[in-house]
Amino acid sequence: EAGVAQSPRYKIIEKRQSVAFWCNPISGHATLYWYQQILGQGPKLLIQFQNNGVVDDSQLPKDRFSAERLKGVDSTLKIQPAKLEDSAVYLCASSLFKGAVEQYFGPGTRLTVT
Amino acid sequence: QKEVEQNSGPLSVPEGAIASLNCTYSDRVSQSFFWYRQYSGKSPELIMSIYSNGDKEDGRFTAQLNKASQYVSLLIRDSQPSDSATYLCAVKNRDAGGTSYGKLTFGQGTILTVHP
Repeated sequence: EAGVAQSPRYKIIEKRQSVAFWCNPISGHATLYWYQQILGQGPKLLIQFQNNGVVDDSQLPKDRFSAERLKGVDSTLKIQPAKLEDSAVYLCASSLFKGAVEQYFGPGTRLTVT
Repeated sequence: QKEVEQNSGPLSVPEGAIASLNCTYSDRVSQSFFWYRQYSGKSPELIMSIYSNGDKEDGRFTAQLNKASQYVSLLIRDSQPSDSATYLCAVKNRDAGGTSYGKLTFGQGTILTVHP
Protein backbone atom coordinates (compact mmCIF):
# COMPACT_ATOMS: atom_id res chain seq x y z
CA GLU A 1 0.00 0.00 0.00
CA ALA A 2 1.47 3.34 -1.03
CA GLY A 3 1.83 5.93 1.70
CA VAL A 4 0.93 9.61 1.74
CA ALA A 5 2.76 11.44 -1.02
CA GLN A 6 3.80 15.08 -0.86
CA SER A 7 5.61 17.42 -3.20
CA PRO A 8 7.84 19.26 -3.36
CA ARG A 9 10.04 17.99 -0.55
CA TYR A 10 11.91 21.28 -0.20
CA LYS A 11 11.12 24.83 -1.22
CA ILE A 12 12.97 28.10 -0.74
CA ILE A 13 11.18 31.35 -1.53
CA GLU A 14 11.50 35.00 -0.67
CA LYS A 15 9.01 36.74 1.58
CA ARG A 16 5.92 38.03 -0.18
CA GLN A 17 6.16 35.30 -2.83
CA SER A 18 3.53 32.58 -3.14
CA VAL A 19 3.97 28.82 -2.84
CA ALA A 20 1.81 25.73 -3.19
CA PHE A 21 2.15 22.26 -1.72
CA TRP A 22 0.51 19.10 -3.00
CA CYS A 23 -0.65 16.02 -1.12
CA ASN A 24 -1.99 12.67 -2.29
CA PRO A 25 -3.41 10.63 0.63
CA ILE A 26 -3.54 6.88 1.02
CA SER A 27 -6.09 5.41 -1.35
CA GLY A 28 -9.52 5.18 0.26
CA HIS A 29 -8.75 7.54 3.14
CA ALA A 30 -11.62 9.98 3.54
CA THR A 31 -9.96 12.35 5.99
CA LEU A 32 -7.00 14.55 5.09
CA TYR A 33 -5.05 16.87 7.39
CA TRP A 34 -2.51 19.63 6.84
CA TYR A 35 -0.16 20.38 9.74
CA GLN A 36 2.50 23.04 10.21
CA GLN A 37 5.55 22.02 12.24
CA ILE A 38 7.91 24.82 13.19
CA LEU A 39 11.40 23.72 14.26
CA GLY A 40 11.40 22.58 17.88
CA GLN A 41 7.60 22.40 18.13
CA GLY A 42 4.96 19.75 17.65
CA PRO A 43 2.75 19.72 14.57
CA LYS A 44 -0.14 22.19 14.59
CA LEU A 45 -3.29 21.36 12.66
CA LEU A 46 -4.05 23.93 9.96
CA ILE A 47 -7.01 22.32 8.26
CA GLN A 48 -8.90 19.03 8.21
CA PHE A 49 -10.99 17.74 5.30
CA GLN A 50 -13.60 15.02 5.33
CA ASN A 51 -13.87 13.99 1.67
CA ASN A 52 -13.97 17.39 -0.05
CA GLY A 53 -15.57 19.31 2.84
CA VAL A 54 -13.74 21.30 5.52
CA VAL A 55 -14.17 19.90 9.05
CA ASP A 56 -11.85 22.25 10.96
CA ASP A 57 -9.89 25.26 9.73
CA SER A 58 -9.90 27.21 12.98
CA GLN A 59 -6.09 27.54 13.05
CA LEU A 60 -5.61 28.36 9.37
CA PRO A 61 -4.43 31.98 8.82
CA LYS A 62 -7.04 32.63 6.19
CA ASP A 63 -5.65 35.99 5.15
CA ARG A 64 -2.71 34.22 3.53
CA PHE A 65 -3.31 30.47 3.60
CA SER A 66 -5.82 28.54 1.52
CA ALA A 67 -6.43 24.87 0.92
CA GLU A 68 -8.68 22.79 -1.26
CA ARG A 69 -9.56 19.17 -1.86
CA LEU A 70 -11.78 19.45 -4.88
CA LYS A 71 -12.46 15.81 -5.76
CA GLY A 72 -12.05 14.39 -2.28
CA VAL A 73 -8.64 12.91 -3.05
CA ASP A 74 -5.62 15.17 -3.68
CA SER A 75 -5.21 18.40 -1.80
CA THR A 76 -3.30 21.63 -2.31
CA LEU A 77 -2.19 24.08 0.38
CA LYS A 78 -1.22 27.57 -0.76
CA ILE A 79 0.48 30.47 0.98
CA GLN A 80 0.18 33.92 -0.56
CA PRO A 81 2.06 36.07 0.34
CA ALA A 82 4.60 34.20 2.45
CA LYS A 83 6.14 35.64 5.61
CA LEU A 84 9.39 34.75 7.34
CA GLU A 85 7.45 33.05 10.16
CA ASP A 86 5.93 30.60 7.66
CA SER A 87 9.26 28.77 7.52
CA ALA A 88 8.34 25.28 8.71
CA VAL A 89 7.70 21.72 7.62
CA TYR A 90 4.22 21.25 6.19
CA LEU A 91 2.94 17.77 6.89
CA CYS A 92 0.02 16.12 5.20
CA ALA A 93 -1.68 13.20 6.90
CA SER A 94 -4.65 11.00 6.13
CA SER A 95 -6.88 8.63 8.01
CA LEU A 96 -9.52 6.15 6.97
CA PHE A 97 -12.30 8.23 8.50
CA LYS A 98 -12.72 11.21 10.83
CA GLY A 99 -12.60 9.28 14.09
CA ALA A 100 -9.92 6.80 13.06
CA VAL A 101 -7.18 6.29 15.63
CA GLU A 102 -4.20 6.42 13.34
CA GLN A 103 -3.20 9.27 11.09
CA TYR A 104 -0.59 8.39 8.50
CA PHE A 105 1.86 11.19 7.79
CA GLY A 106 3.57 12.02 4.55
CA PRO A 107 7.27 12.95 4.39
CA GLY A 108 6.51 16.67 4.58
CA THR A 109 7.60 19.75 2.65
CA ARG A 110 10.30 21.87 4.23
CA LEU A 111 9.65 25.53 3.43
CA THR A 112 12.28 28.21 3.95
CA VAL A 113 11.20 31.83 3.54
CA THR A 114 14.10 34.29 3.18
CA GLN B 1 -1.27 27.38 29.74
CA LYS B 2 -0.43 25.17 26.77
CA GLU B 3 -3.03 22.55 25.93
CA VAL B 4 -0.46 19.75 25.87
CA GLU B 5 2.84 20.19 27.64
CA GLN B 6 5.97 18.06 27.63
CA ASN B 7 9.46 18.47 29.03
CA SER B 8 11.46 19.48 25.98
CA GLY B 9 14.57 17.75 27.27
CA PRO B 10 16.86 16.66 25.94
CA LEU B 11 16.62 13.47 27.94
CA SER B 12 19.74 11.37 27.84
CA VAL B 13 19.81 7.77 29.09
CA PRO B 14 22.37 4.96 28.78
CA GLU B 15 21.65 1.95 26.61
CA GLY B 16 19.59 -0.63 28.49
CA ALA B 17 18.07 1.89 30.91
CA ILE B 18 14.42 2.90 31.25
CA ALA B 19 13.49 6.17 29.58
CA SER B 20 10.54 8.02 31.11
CA LEU B 21 8.69 10.65 29.09
CA ASN B 22 5.96 12.78 30.60
CA CYS B 23 3.05 14.80 29.31
CA THR B 24 0.29 16.89 30.90
CA TYR B 25 -2.85 18.20 29.26
CA SER B 26 -5.23 20.97 30.19
CA ASP B 27 -8.64 19.85 28.88
CA ARG B 28 -10.38 17.55 31.36
CA VAL B 29 -12.69 16.13 28.70
CA SER B 30 -9.83 14.81 26.58
CA GLN B 31 -10.65 11.32 25.41
CA SER B 32 -7.73 9.76 23.58
CA PHE B 33 -4.00 9.96 24.09
CA PHE B 34 -1.18 9.09 21.74
CA TRP B 35 2.58 8.88 21.60
CA TYR B 36 4.32 9.52 18.30
CA ARG B 37 7.99 9.02 17.53
CA GLN B 38 9.71 11.38 15.10
CA TYR B 39 13.22 10.73 13.86
CA SER B 40 15.21 13.77 12.77
CA GLY B 41 14.04 14.94 9.37
CA LYS B 42 11.25 12.37 9.24
CA SER B 43 7.50 12.47 9.81
CA PRO B 44 5.78 11.35 13.03
CA GLU B 45 4.77 7.70 13.43
CA LEU B 46 2.28 6.40 15.96
CA ILE B 47 3.78 4.05 18.56
CA MET B 48 1.17 3.93 21.35
CA SER B 49 -2.44 4.90 22.00
CA ILE B 50 -4.27 4.79 25.34
CA TYR B 51 -7.86 5.61 26.23
CA SER B 52 -8.51 4.53 29.83
CA ASN B 53 -6.74 5.00 33.15
CA GLY B 54 -3.92 2.60 33.91
CA ASP B 55 -1.10 1.04 31.97
CA LYS B 56 -0.91 -0.29 28.43
CA GLU B 57 2.08 -2.33 27.36
CA ASP B 58 3.36 -3.05 23.87
CA GLY B 59 6.74 -4.70 23.71
CA ARG B 60 9.31 -2.42 25.33
CA PHE B 61 6.83 0.47 25.49
CA THR B 62 4.36 1.17 28.31
CA ALA B 63 1.91 4.06 28.24
CA GLN B 64 0.39 5.21 31.51
CA LEU B 65 -2.70 7.40 31.85
CA ASN B 66 -4.06 9.21 34.90
CA LYS B 67 -7.08 11.28 33.92
CA ALA B 68 -7.59 12.67 37.43
CA SER B 69 -4.11 14.19 37.31
CA GLN B 70 -4.37 14.92 33.57
CA TYR B 71 -1.11 13.13 33.05
CA VAL B 72 0.13 10.62 30.50
CA SER B 73 3.56 9.05 30.31
CA LEU B 74 5.60 6.72 28.13
CA LEU B 75 8.17 4.31 29.50
CA ILE B 76 10.73 2.72 27.20
CA ARG B 77 12.42 -0.30 28.76
CA ASP B 78 15.83 -1.58 27.66
CA SER B 79 16.44 1.62 25.69
CA GLN B 80 18.41 1.25 22.49
CA PRO B 81 20.35 3.83 20.47
CA SER B 82 17.72 3.35 17.75
CA ASP B 83 15.15 4.80 20.18
CA SER B 84 16.91 8.19 19.93
CA ALA B 85 14.26 10.49 18.50
CA THR B 86 11.74 13.16 19.45
CA TYR B 87 8.68 11.78 21.21
CA LEU B 88 5.45 13.68 20.71
CA CYS B 89 2.49 13.45 23.04
CA ALA B 90 -0.88 14.08 21.37
CA VAL B 91 -4.41 14.44 22.70
CA LYS B 92 -7.69 14.06 20.90
CA ASN B 93 -11.05 15.37 22.16
CA ARG B 94 -14.60 14.89 21.05
CA ASP B 95 -15.68 17.57 18.63
CA ALA B 96 -18.37 20.17 19.33
CA GLY B 97 -21.09 17.81 18.19
CA GLY B 98 -19.91 15.19 20.64
CA THR B 99 -20.48 12.42 18.16
CA SER B 100 -16.96 11.76 16.94
CA TYR B 101 -13.41 12.59 17.76
CA GLY B 102 -12.05 16.06 17.11
CA LYS B 103 -8.62 17.35 16.21
CA LEU B 104 -5.29 16.02 17.41
CA THR B 105 -3.29 18.47 19.55
CA PHE B 106 0.42 17.83 19.93
CA GLY B 107 2.87 18.78 22.63
CA GLN B 108 6.20 20.31 21.69
CA GLY B 109 8.03 16.99 21.93
CA THR B 110 10.79 15.56 24.10
CA ILE B 111 14.16 14.80 22.54
CA LEU B 112 15.50 11.44 23.74
CA THR B 113 19.10 10.40 23.27
CA VAL B 114 20.18 6.87 24.15
CA HIS B 115 23.95 6.62 24.36
CA PRO B 116 25.87 3.33 24.09
